[in-house]
Amino acid sequence: EIVLTQSPGTLSLSPGERATLSCRASQSVGSNYLAWYQHKPGQAPRLLISGASSRATGIPDRFSGSGSGTDFTLTISRLEPEDFAVYYCQHFGTSVATFGQGTRLEIK
Amino acid sequence: QLQLQESGPGPVKPSETLSLTCTVSGGSISSGSHCWGWIRQSPGKGLEWIASICNSGSTTYYNPSLRNRVTMSVDTSKNQFSVKLSSVTAADAAVYYCARRYYHTLTGYSFDYWGQGTLVTVSS
Repeated sequence: EIVLTQSPGTLSLSPGERATLSCRASQSVGSNYLAWYQHKPGQAPRLLISGASSRATGIPDRFSGSGSGTDFTLTISRLEPEDFAVYYCQHFGTSVATFGQGTRLEIK
Repeated sequence: QLQLQESGPGPVKPSETLSLTCTVSGGSISSGSHCWGWIRQSPGKGLEWIASICNSGSTTYYNPSLRNRVTMSVDTSKNQFSVKLSSVTAADAAVYYCARRYYHTLTGYSFDYWGQGTLVTVSS
């Protein structure tokens, strides 16, 4: 079973700054199988990125995903107030899906 | 626009079986090659995948840590899918989400549509 480790656990930044979130897999995974989600309290998680780098419908272009193999990155180029939330990476395996433990993006 | 809505019992007693249903509207649960899944978030913790069901119910996948207690099923006539979790404990208290697993050759796999979540408490 693949384990996803996200870093940092908490990221404190100000609106307008750039955010870089990391997701490391315990073994190499195919890019098609890596997704990113944004989760705010009281709301359903929101798909941001699938296939490691494809933005979901309606997602602003300040969100971008990159990476391959074991190292993946979610970048938010210029933070807006509504971007402060918890972010999860997720892997779809042959029969098992796993989430990283999340990165909390908070206002500095 | 596809919509998913969870329904469940609210409070469950320890050792009982938790049953949740997800009703899908705006599309057929048996169309395409989509799968359907359940994900939960315990208080103060992250997201945990529970189970998925594919091929109109012919194939199921379970989280190894829950495999002995979880069963997922589909009712295509009602456009619903369900999950049962037996022998619940306080550790199973969580917000439970249902979601659609989508696949496209260009964009890969994702849970693209989610329900709003239903809170399950475990208390005697």
